[in-house]
Amino acid sequence: QSVLTQPPSVSAAPGQKVTISCSGSSSNIGNNYVSWYQQLPGTAPKLLIYDNDRRPSGIPDRFSGSKSGTSATLGITGLQTGDEADYYCGTWDGSWVFGGGTKLTVL
Amino acid sequence: EVQLVESGGGLVQPGGSLRLSCAASGLTFSSYEMNWVRQAPGKGLEWVSYVSGSATSIYYADSVKGRFTISRDNAKNSLYLQMNSLRAEDTAVYYCARENGDYVGLDYWGQGTLVTVSS
Repeated sequence: QSVLTQPPSVSAAPGQKVTISCSGSSSNIGNNYVSWYQQLPGTAPKLLIYDNDRRPSGIPDRFSGSKSGTSATLGITGLQTGDEADYYCGTWDGSWVFGGGTKLTVL
Repeated sequence: EVQLVESGGGLVQPGGSLRLSCAASGLTFSSYEMNWVRQAPGKGLEWVSYVSGSATSIYYADSVKGRFTISRDNAKNSLYLQMNSLRAEDTAVYYCARENGDYVGLDYWGQGTLVTVSS
């Protein structure tokens, strides 16, 4: 049972937009920054979003993040087949806590 | 270019021990806080342990506290995880991951090393 709650899966067609939610509590998301990670099949996680809504250099602006209260959301526009991956939210509240992961399928 | 390379994984019997290493390059290693994060087969990410740049602050997940020990050797640009009293539920790919320092996020990850605990 993960501390942060994500939907197990989401799907959308190429070119469309998808959002992935991440729900927590006042002790984690509510009082800390959220980051998002992309894990392509068979590879290590990769940082996509930090500090709720900032993108590291090299991450396309198709990826966006937002936070409101005790929830956060990852948005991906212009979906590509290469975006098929598992996505994790995470935050630090004295330890790193992660969501259970969301598998994105691009139909 | 920052690189993190884990090693030391393998097959170990329940109750056994293993020491993982993470060799860092392309960064001033001592300036960065480091973490171990694991992923059981087919499961999500689970944080294991954290160490500050000077190793003055160390934290563990409850699931490994008292069994695992994180350490670092800044002269060798290396991070370690000593794992004792291993259990089947410790079976996972273990990643070392760097904290950025300027913001909250794990910005570099190694490729992972697989630890299998089985008789």
